[in-house]
This record gives sequence, C-alpha cells and structure tokens, in this order.
Amino acid sequence: SAVISQKPSRDICQRGTSLTIQCQVDSQVTMMFWYRQQPGQSLTLIATANQGSEATYESGFVIDKFPISRPNLTFSTLTVSNLSPEDSSIYLCSVETGNYGYTFGSGTRLTVV
Amino acid sequence: AQSVTQPDIHITVSEGASLELRCNYSYGATPYLFWYVQSPGQGLQLLLKYFSGDTLVQGIKGFEAEFKRSQSSFNLRKPSVHWSDAAEYFCAFLTTDSWGKFQFGAGTQVVVTP
Repeated sequence: SAVISQKPSRDICQRGTSLTIQCQVDSQVTMMFWYRQQPGQSLTLIATANQGSEATYESGFVIDKFPISRPNLTFSTLTVSNLSPEDSSIYLCSVETGNYGYTFGSGTRLTVV
Repeated sequence: AQSVTQPDIHITVSEGASLELRCNYSYGATPYLFWYVQSPGQGLQLLLKYFSGDTLVQGIKGFEAEFKRSQSSFNLRKPSVHWSDAAEYFCAFLTTDSWGKFQFGAGTQVVVTP
C-alpha cells in the first residue's frame, strides 16, 4: 500500500498568516483527499484534488481559504489562509491505495495563536 | 441523508476484558464500511473493512466486526483488550456515488484500565 509523508507534523502560527501543508506519496495516485479534524471532533472532508484539474470543495469550504495544488500524481499541498484560532485543527491527506484501501497521512496539528 | 452514528463517545474497559464499539449508518443501500483507529498524535490506521460477502470481518490487532443489514450496524469487537488498544476509534463509510469521500462517525474514545 502507499506511504504518505505529510509535513509539517505540527506548527504554531500567528493570526492572519498562512500555513502550507505538503503530502508526498510514494506511488502515483489519481485522487488525493484533504480532511480537517477539529478538536474533539470527527474528520470532515475539505476537498478532493485531482492532478491537472481544479480541486473540488465540499460544502462549507472555499478555495480562497483552502487553496490546493496538485502539480503531479505524487504530491499535493493544502494552504490554510488568513488563519484564525478557529482553524486550529489536525489536517490530514488521504489517497486510495488499491483494493478499496485508503491510506491517511499522519496529520498536521495546527495551532493558531 | 447519509450519516454514521457512534453512540458511545467514551468507553472505559479493563485490560483483558472484551470490547464492543457500536456503529450505525444511514444510507439507502449497503455502503462500504470501515473501522479506523487513531492513537494519540498519530494518523489513522485501518483496522478492517467490509464490502460484501461474509458479514463477519477479521481485521488487524485481533479486531473483528460484524455487518448486520437489518440493523444497519457494523459493530467492532475484540475479545480481550490490551493497554495498547487505548485510542480513538472511527467508523466510516464510502458510497459508490461519492467514492473516496469518507463519511466518518464522531468517534469513540477507548480508555483501558489496569
């Protein structure tokens, strides 16, 4: 199954700044998914990122706040822009690994101060 | 509406005792069902999944789950828990019309006491 390297593992950011999270996969994958896990909550899908096309965002998430890049089949970034304390969460990427399996990154714990 | 319900937010179990975590789903057909575990500071690890066939599914770390269509349930069990099983457990499903987009339950936090 695929192995995902997600960076950074954690960060503390000032209000109003941005954080870019990277996910690198050790094999080529068609779709990558970005999730948010707010404190004490379950995971919520932010967007789906296909290589060569614009990301598809779920209800409640917009491109201006969560721009995503997908330059090739092994890499994607999620930027969380104009940070506020409400953005403090764990952000995870996910890919399909075949045989209906999915692998998740280890997550990025973001704290906004 | 599609949803996943994990009725138990928090469960405390003694080491060596059995564990059962409940999961119910709401969907017009049979979805693809998963159980994931998240240890503190870690990502999600797949325990097991069900798509079709035998309704009793064996997973890693001694876990199993049983799919019951009549009850729209997919409960997770382990006969004898170990201290290392303390973690948060998420039930999730996928549907063919939203492939790759997991719908997760709220999670059940499992605490294991000596």
